[in-house]
Amino acid sequence: ILNVEQSPQSLHVQEGDSTNFTCSFPSSNFYALHWYRWETAKSPEALFVMTLNGDEKKKGRISATLNTKEGYSYLYIKGSQPEDSATYLCAFPNDQAGTALIFGKGTTLSVSS
Amino acid sequence: DAGVTQSPTHLIKTRGQQVTLRCSPKSGHDTVSWYQQALGQGPQFIFQYYEEEERQRGNFPDRFSGHQFPNYSSELNVNALLLGDSALYLCASSLALGAWYEQYFGPGTRLTVT
Repeated sequence: ILNVEQSPQSLHVQEGDSTNFTCSFPSSNFYALHWYRWETAKSPEALFVMTLNGDEKKKGRISATLNTKEGYSYLYIKGSQPEDSATYLCAFPNDQAGTALIFGKGTTLSVSS
Repeated sequence: DAGVTQSPTHLIKTRGQQVTLRCSPKSGHDTVSWYQQALGQGPQFIFQYYEEEERQRGNFPDRFSGHQFPNYSSELNVNALLLGDSALYLCASSLALGAWYEQYFGPGTRLTVT
């Protein structure tokens, strides 16, 4: 059974703080690793799809790294803003066709102004 | 360009009843997946449809069934509803098969079974 773990479960930071979350996934049969942001009352939205060991991707103040050999990915948010408040989900495709995404439980970030 | 749409937004049903949820994929997408998100959990894969066929099913009973139409829209049917079926049901579409394609999600249908 494929298992994806995320930590911490929740996080509360002040505006301007930088923060990071962890996603752990099986290191064998790796195809890709997805990060999604899910704001309250909205649809989950893809942030990154990472495929290569050592990948680093960036979108504005958010960046992610990938280590497929040890089975983890980090998501970093620099200078958190209230609009970054959301649940951040990572997901691991169960096969090369990406048939099913196996999701972690997510990290819920709350940013206070 | 409309993204993934789902209907209805909310639904309240009684145990034992049947329910149908609907999903229209993003324009140009031919692959539709359904997920169930229970409280405190990440989304759980139910099944995926491609070319009107169910490609793969997650660990869900046969009470959960689906269909994909020629226009790629999809339905999720749940029979003999149980209290435990209360959840947010998400539909996702992708441009093609492949682990590296991001999935686009709809806003979900909140099902409450009483």
